Amino acid sequence: KQEVTQIPAALSVPEGENLVLNCSFTDSAIYNLQWFRQDPGKGLTSLLLIQSSQREQTSGRLNASLDKSSGRSTLYIAASQPGDSATYLCAAPLGSGAGSYQLTFGKGTKLSVIP
Amino acid sequence: DAGITQSPRHKVTETGTPVTLRCHQTENHRYMYWYRQDPGHGLRLIHYSYGVKDTDKGEVSDGYSVSRSKTEDFLLTLESATSSQTSVYFCAISESVLSGRRTGANVLTFGAGSRLTVL
Repeated sequence: KQEVTQIPAALSVPEGENLVLNCSFTDSAIYNLQWFRQDPGKGLTSLLLIQSSQREQTSGRLNASLDKSSGRSTLYIAASQPGDSATYLCAAPLGSGAGSYQLTFGKGTKLSVIP
Repeated sequence: DAGITQSPRHKVTETGTPVTLRCHQTENHRYMYWYRQDPGHGLRLIHYSYGVKDTDKGEVSDGYSVSRSKTEDFLLTLESATSSQTSVYFCAISESVLSGRRTGANVLTFGAGSRLTVL
C-alpha cells in the first residue's frame, strides 16, 4: 500500500521568499509523481509530473524533484507571490502496472504568501 | 478543465435516500475516476473505470457503486446515503503521457467537484 505524507501541513511566508514543500512516499516502485494545486472551493490543477527517469521537472517558478531511493519529492517555488496561496498536494501511484492508474494523495500543504 | 462536467454541484439529501452523481467528459478519455475529499483524510479513490463497463474498486468503495455505459459518462451511486458520505466528490480523467515506448504516466485532470450533504 502506498502512503504519502506532506510536511508541513501549513506554511506562511512573506512575498518574494523562496520556499520548499516536501512530500514523502513509502513505495518507491513508481514511475512518476505528480504535484497539484487546489484553490479553496475548487478542483485540483495539475502542476508538474516527474517521471522517475527525469528526477527534476520545471515549469516557470516551480521546480519539482524526485528521489525514489529516499522516497521523497520536493516542490520548490521561487520568488513567491500572493497568488501562489493555495493548498499543494502530491500524489504517487499505488504501484507499477495496473496500480499506476490509482493515485494516492498526500493531505496537502496549505501555503499562505503574505503581501 | 478538459471538458469535465460534474452534476449536481451541490446536493442536500436525507439519510437512506439514493443519490447519483454524474461525471461527463467530452474528450473521449479512457480512464475516469471518482474521489472523495474530507478534512483530515485528503483525497481518496472510490472507484475508477478503464473503459465502457470496465470498473474497479478504489480505497474507499464500500457503500458506493459506479456505472459507465458510455465513454463520456461515469456515474457514482450511493444506494442508501449515510451521514458519513457527506463529502466533496471529485471526478477526474487521466491523459496518458508517452514516455519512450511505454505509457509511463497518467496526468489527472479534475472536475470542479460536487458537494454532498447527507442529513
